[in-house]
Amino acid sequence: SQQGEEDPQALSIQEGENATMNCSYKTSINNLQWYRQNSGRGLVHLILIRSNEREKHSGRLRVTLDTSKKSSSLLITASRAADTASYFCATDPKEGGSQGNLIFGKGTKLSVKP
Amino acid sequence: GAGVSQSPRYKVAKRGQDVALRCDPISGHVSLFWYQQALGQGPEFLTYFQNEAQLDKSGLPSDRFFAERPEGSVSTLKIQRTQQEDSAVYLCASTKGLDNEKLFFGSGTQLSVL
Repeated sequence: SQQGEEDPQALSIQEGENATMNCSYKTSINNLQWYRQNSGRGLVHLILIRSNEREKHSGRLRVTLDTSKKSSSLLITASRAADTASYFCATDPKEGGSQGNLIFGKGTKLSVKP
Repeated sequence: GAGVSQSPRYKVAKRGQDVALRCDPISGHVSLFWYQQALGQGPEFLTYFQNEAQLDKSGLPSDRFFAERPEGSVSTLKIQRTQQEDSAVYLCASTKGLDNEKLFFGSGTQLSVL
């Protein structure tokens, strides 16, 4: 079963605009990760935020985590056509499951038009 | 190798056939994961190895699915008597350590069962 739920399911923006994707999850977590998947390819790790962190930055990426609301957001600033991909959040649940059992959401499909 | 390698890239099987999917993780990576990704969905956990030990197989959908990693490097996911519902992309991922932080994914094997 999938714990994460991304919102929106699809997002279309112009190059240079910011893109914000949200993720909600159900159980307590150790960390939350965001991955990107280009069409027909595997997933690429973008950023990890731990349960005791509230915000993290990496280049044009900004991730926030609100454990009280069980939600996270991924902001991509100054988007480029190359950012076109699906974005998934993945949670590492504190209980129930092994160290391997990362739980992915259904993803947000981002389209950046040049 | 430079990244996680999966073969074959595409596999078409007739219903009832057995298939074997191969994963070559990044050299020296201890942990190896298999995920199943249906069209338009996020990856769903199948099984997890630390070296040659299969620590979690709770995600395997039925006893027709079997995974092994006999020497702690290459892994094979075998599906016996394939069914149409097995059609999906099968993703393999590895990490250097014993945890599930920052998974490196292969490009996957797209399995179509006719």
